[in-house]
Amino acid sequence: EDQVTQSPEALRLQEGESSSLNCSYTVSGLRGLFWYRQDPGKGPEFLFTLYSAGEEKEKERLKATLTKKESFLHITAPKPEDSATYLCAVQAAGNKLTFGGGTRVLVKP
Amino acid sequence: DTGVSQDPRHKITKRGQNVTFRCDPISEHNRLYWYRQTLGQGPEFLTYFQNEAQLEKSRLLSDRFSAERPKGSFSTLEIQRTEQGDSAMYLCASSHRKGQQETQYFGPGTRLLVL
Repeated sequence: EDQVTQSPEALRLQEGESSSLNCSYTVSGLRGLFWYRQDPGKGPEFLFTLYSAGEEKEKERLKATLTKKESFLHITAPKPEDSATYLCAVQAAGNKLTFGGGTRVLVKP
Repeated sequence: DTGVSQDPRHKITKRGQNVTFRCDPISEHNRLYWYRQTLGQGPEFLTYFQNEAQLEKSRLLSDRFSAERPKGSFSTLEIQRTEQGDSAMYLCASSHRKGQQETQYFGPGTRLLVL
């Protein structure tokens, strides 16, 4: 069965303090690894899809990378508006997404 | 707004009542998914439609849950005889697969509270 583990569960950062979130996965036949951002009371907002080891994608202060066993979401010089829960999910041979528990990020000014 | 929409956004019901949620996918997306999310957890897959056909159901989906997607457009999720454990956010997502690539876009969710 597909498994996704995210760490840490929560992260408190000062504005400008860069950090990384980890997503470890066990899956048979990875089709894609997805990162979403979720604000309180809202649905997940799509950020990135990574398809193969070595792939990297960037969007503003966020950069996602992928290896054969894990993915990292790097937040560079974060701002308070980057505060959210970041969700990692994998899609394997089936069509459903299997999510991790998320990392709650709080960026203080 | 051409994103996924869900209705209602919030629902409070008493234990034992039936509830129905609606999801309108992004137009031309032929795939539609339902997920459930409890506080502090990631979303969990419930069921999936391709056009009007329900192709996969999670073991989480008890007999009290039923979903439909008539004519391959909007979808409804009904919960019969609600229980307090059904309290959660119910999320809908839609997608269109291009080769091996597929991105699911989520709606705002329906938050259910069963008293």
